[in-house]
Amino acid sequence: EILLTQSPATLSASPGERATLSCRASQSPNVNLAWYQQKPGQAPRLLIYGISNRAAGVPARFSGSGSGTEFTLTISSLQSEDIAMYYCHEYHTWPPMYTFGQGTKLEIK
Amino acid sequence: EVQLLESGGDLVQPGGSLRLSCAASGFTFDNYAFNWVRQAPGKGPEWVSAITAGGGGTEYADSVRGRFTISRDNSKNTVFLQMNSLTVEDTAVYYCAKCFRTTKDAFDLWGQGTRVTVSS
Repeated sequence: EILLTQSPATLSASPGERATLSCRASQSPNVNLAWYQQKPGQAPRLLIYGISNRAAGVPARFSGSGSGTEFTLTISSLQSEDIAMYYCHEYHTWPPMYTFGQGTKLEIK
Repeated sequence: EVQLLESGGDLVQPGGSLRLSCAASGFTFDNYAFNWVRQAPGKGPEWVSAITAGGGGTEYADSVRGRFTISRDNSKNTVFLQMNSLTVEDTAVYYCAKCFRTTKDAFDLWGQGTRVTVSS
C-alpha cells in the first residue's frame, strides 16, 4: 500500500502570493496522482488528475507537477476563494487501494 | 444536470446495519466505475469500496471487507452500499464518487454525502 504524506499541514499566505503544496509517496513506480479541493461542508472537488492535468472548469492558476515520489500543487496567485483543505490522491492500482493524503489546510493572511 | 445524490444515512446502534444509495443522473451511468469514500469528522477522505462499470468487479478497504457490500443497478442508475456489523469507527460522511474515465482513475464527480452515525 502506498502512503501519501502532505506538507505543510497548514499554509498561510497572502492574496496574490504563490502557494506550493507538497505530496510525497512512500514508493514508486507508476504512481498516478490527483489533487482535490474541499471547502467546509462540501464534497471534495477534483482539481488535477494524472499529476498535471487540470479538470474541467478549474482556473489556470492551479497547476500540478512532479514525478517518482514527489508531487506538487501550485496556486500561482492566491484568491480568497482558495481557502480550503487540499488532498492528494494516488490511484494507479487495480484492485484499487486508493490512498489519500492527510491534507493541507490553506489559509489566507 | 450531472449529479450524484446519496441517501440512507442515519443514526444506528453498534452492530446494526444500513443501506446507502447513490442515484446518478445526467450521464451514461453504465459506462463508469463508482466508489464509496468516507470522511470521519475532522479527518481526510478514506476510500471504502469500488465497483466496475458492469458490476462484475468489486473491491474493499481492509477496514470494511467482510462487513460491507457494494452493488449497482444499471437499470436504475444507482449504486448501493450495504453496511453490516457497524462499529463506532464507521461513523462518517459517506460520499459516492464516479471514476473519471477508466476503472483506475481520479474521482471527477462526487455526491453531497450522507451522514452515518454509529452510537449507542
